[in-house]
Amino acid sequence: KAGVTQTPRYLIKTRGQQVTLSCSPISGHRSVSWYQQTPGQGLQFLFEYFSETQRNKGNFPGRFSGRQFSNSRSEMNVSTLELGDSALYLCASSPTVAGTDTQYFGPGTRLTVL
Amino acid sequence: AQTVTQSQPEMSVQEAETVTLSCTYDTSENNYYLFWYKQPPSRQMILVIRQEAYKQQNATENRFSVNFQKAAKSFSLKISDSQLGDTAMYFCAFTTSGTYKYIFGTGTRLKVLA
Repeated sequence: KAGVTQTPRYLIKTRGQQVTLSCSPISGHRSVSWYQQTPGQGLQFLFEYFSETQRNKGNFPGRFSGRQFSNSRSEMNVSTLELGDSALYLCASSPTVAGTDTQYFGPGTRLTVL
Repeated sequence: AQTVTQSQPEMSVQEAETVTLSCTYDTSENNYYLFWYKQPPSRQMILVIRQEAYKQQNATENRFSVNFQKAAKSFSLKISDSQLGDTAMYFCAFTTSGTYKYIFGTGTRLKVLA
């Protein structure tokens, strides 16, 4: 089975722009989670989706949003980018509704905001 | 609030030796799940080991084993016969039913020396 894929792998944007990141989960996995990883804050939970429904959201401003499609692929969007949004954005998928399954991570999207 | 603490930012170990990484957590839940993930330099995060809190037996996976002390809320990872390929960032993570999110510790950077 193919693993979790994320596109693009690298992005450079300027302050004020917006960005959309994409995640394709492992085939058959219906839960997708997003995390922001920075050297100072570690891994911070952004949101989780299951069957197109957001089940939980982390403590991030409204500029961060996401969605999930019927094929379980997910996107996250960051509007009005700030320098502090520079980070590695990780997507993870898991197979069932439980929310306690092992999560399988993608390689991440490295976002640099100038 | 549920928290995960990794008190060792960096560690090093000689090849073939044994090393133990510490993790403590705080929760009022009785049923939860604990994980150790490994993130090699510039590579994606992979699961090392998983422990269900209701299981008294400590999980093992080849050279990796945990010491799960539920009363002390401690979940340490022991790596035996360390190999150069074990050099990575190690994250401890926690989740409970119904939260649909993982909480990660800040990580321990492990370097295996030849």
